[in-house]
Amino acid sequence: NAGVTQTPKFRILKIGQSMTLQCTQDMNHNYMYWYRQDPGMGLKLIYYSVGAGITDKGEVPNGYNVSRSTTEDFPLRLELAAPSQTSVYFCASRNPGQGANGYTFGSGTRLTVV
Amino acid sequence: AQTVTQSQPEMSVQEAETVTLSCTYDTSESDYYLFWYKQPPSRQMILVIRQEAYKQQNATENRFSVNFQKAAKSFSLKISDSQLGDAAMYFCAYSDFGGNEKLTFGTGTRLTIIP
Repeated sequence: NAGVTQTPKFRILKIGQSMTLQCTQDMNHNYMYWYRQDPGMGLKLIYYSVGAGITDKGEVPNGYNVSRSTTEDFPLRLELAAPSQTSVYFCASRNPGQGANGYTFGSGTRLTVV
Repeated sequence: AQTVTQSQPEMSVQEAETVTLSCTYDTSESDYYLFWYKQPPSRQMILVIRQEAYKQQNATENRFSVNFQKAAKSFSLKISDSQLGDAAMYFCAYSDFGGNEKLTFGTGTRLTIIP
């Protein structure tokens, strides 16, 4: 299994540009999450989804949008990039009721906004 | 809202020695999960150990063990026989039981292993 795949791994954006961070999982997990990790900090939840067609805001949703049209894909959209969005972005997935089996994380996308 | 606090930004330990990383959390829930994740320079988030709050027995995974004190809301990680490969950022994390099960992370502890 590939697990959770994130693309791209690195990206430099100019202020005001837009982009989509891709996330795909092949484990048929219902729950998917987007986190951001600022330098020297822990991960903070941006958006999450408990199934296709269902999304909800996390702790830091401003400046981002998501969609979940399929179980496998959960893209994160930045419409007007700002320097404050410079961060490492992680996608994760899990199935409910797995107890404390933890999450499967992607390898992250390092985004720099200049 | 739940919070997770790691009060040690950096720790160091001699190779083969034992080190303990601290974590406290705040929640009004009685059932929940706690995790320790390791993040090496590769950025990958690696699950080290997990604990279900309803279990009184402390979790162990080879050289890694936890001291879970539910009343004190404390969840420390002990690494025995430290190895060079243990050098990384370590994050404590909390998840509610049921519902959306999202993770709340602490700010991390950077562990250095001294040869």
